[in-house]
Amino acid sequence: AQSVSQHNHHVILSEAASLELGCNYSYGGTVNLFWYVQYPGQHLQLLLKYFSGDPLVKGIKGFEAEFIKSKFSFNLRKPSVQWSDTAEYFCAVNVRNTGKLIFGQGTTLQVKP
Amino acid sequence: NAGVTQTPKFQVLKTGQSMTLQCAQDMNHNSMYWYRQDPGMGLRLIYYSASEGTTDKGEVPNGYNVSRLNKREFSLRLESAAPSQTSVYFCASSESPGAGVGDEQFFGPGTRLTVL
Repeated sequence: AQSVSQHNHHVILSEAASLELGCNYSYGGTVNLFWYVQYPGQHLQLLLKYFSGDPLVKGIKGFEAEFIKSKFSFNLRKPSVQWSDTAEYFCAVNVRNTGKLIFGQGTTLQVKP
Repeated sequence: NAGVTQTPKFQVLKTGQSMTLQCAQDMNHNSMYWYRQDPGMGLRLIYYSASEGTTDKGEVPNGYNVSRLNKREFSLRLESAAPSQTSVYFCASSESPGAGVGDEQFFGPGTRLTVL
């Protein structure tokens, strides 16, 4: 069965620190990859997505992610976090043409002002 | 556009009671989904409807039923609520599986359900 693993469950950073959240998936076929963010009290919003082409994708609010097919990874990065980035971050994988998203466990990011 | 809407926002039930969670989308999407979110477990798919008139089980369907009422609406029913169903429930929609714009799902605000 497909699965998604996020290695960091809770990350605490100071403002201006760099961020990298790990995400690995298990599936050998063609996948679509997503990072969603859930700000406190709000619903999930799409940060960025990868379908094909350039493996380095840029999303909203200065986030980017790199798809490394050989490592089955899709890590999320941001060079300098802000207090407003405090949220829960979910990596998700969709096996192409099935419509079903498999989510990782989520990573809670706390940014200290 | 309102996007994906869910009602109610909060609900408290006693064990054994039944209730229906409502979801509607105004984006003319073909596919709709129900997830539950539990701490440390991410979101898990309960049921989904790839298109109007079809429904399929997801990862955790036991204790739930769904109805795709029309293209816009997809409801989730708990026939006999149990404390293990205490969770936050999210509805989502997407254009359709494998569509050219690809499978991005849009989420509703969630329903926080407590079963005592």
